[in-house]
Amino acid sequence: EDQVTQSPEALRLQEGESSSLNCSYTVSGLRGLFWYRQDPGKGPEFLFTLYSAGEEKEKERLKATLTKKESFLHITAPKPEDSATYLCAVQTSYGKLTFGQGTILTVHP
Amino acid sequence: GAVVSQHPSWVICKSGTSVKIECRSLDFQATTMFWYRQFPKQSLMLMATSNEGSKATYEQGVEKDKFLINHASLTLSTLTVTSAHPEDSSFYICSPEPRGGEETQYFGPGTRLLVL
Repeated sequence: EDQVTQSPEALRLQEGESSSLNCSYTVSGLRGLFWYRQDPGKGPEFLFTLYSAGEEKEKERLKATLTKKESFLHITAPKPEDSATYLCAVQTSYGKLTFGQGTILTVHP
Repeated sequence: GAVVSQHPSWVICKSGTSVKIECRSLDFQATTMFWYRQFPKQSLMLMATSNEGSKATYEQGVEKDKFLINHASLTLSTLTVTSAHPEDSSFYICSPEPRGGEETQYFGPGTRLLVL
């Protein structure tokens, strides 16, 4: 059975304090690993897709990396507007997305 | 990015009534539609997958007779919650997969359902 585990469950940072979120996974036949941002009461907003170990992608203050067992979402010098729930999901060869529980990020000014 | 709309954005209904949720992909065609639900403080759980013009495939534990899915066109899918009960109160989110299999998986803005 495909499993995705995110840690920590919640993370509080001061503005400018860099950190990383973790997504560990066990799947059969990884097609891609997705990172999303979700604000309260809204649908997930796409951030990145990673396909193979060693791959990295960046967007503004965010950088996602992938190994064979886990992915990290690095946040550099976060701002209060980066506060949200960050979701990780893996897609198998069947196309189905399996989500982790998410990490609730709060960035204090 | 692609635009996906859901209607209504929120709905309150009495127990026993049926509620229909629409999902539209506004600027691309979706051969496959995924429907998810999200309970408070929990992550998204896939309910069913439908391909245009064919019957939906439901995940284990999801009642196909309770959650009716219609994917009659490449830009529109509907989820009908029949005989809704309070335990069906949740956040329902659609995710149309573009024809051609782009790397981005788009999501709708979600529909909040509250059953009294």
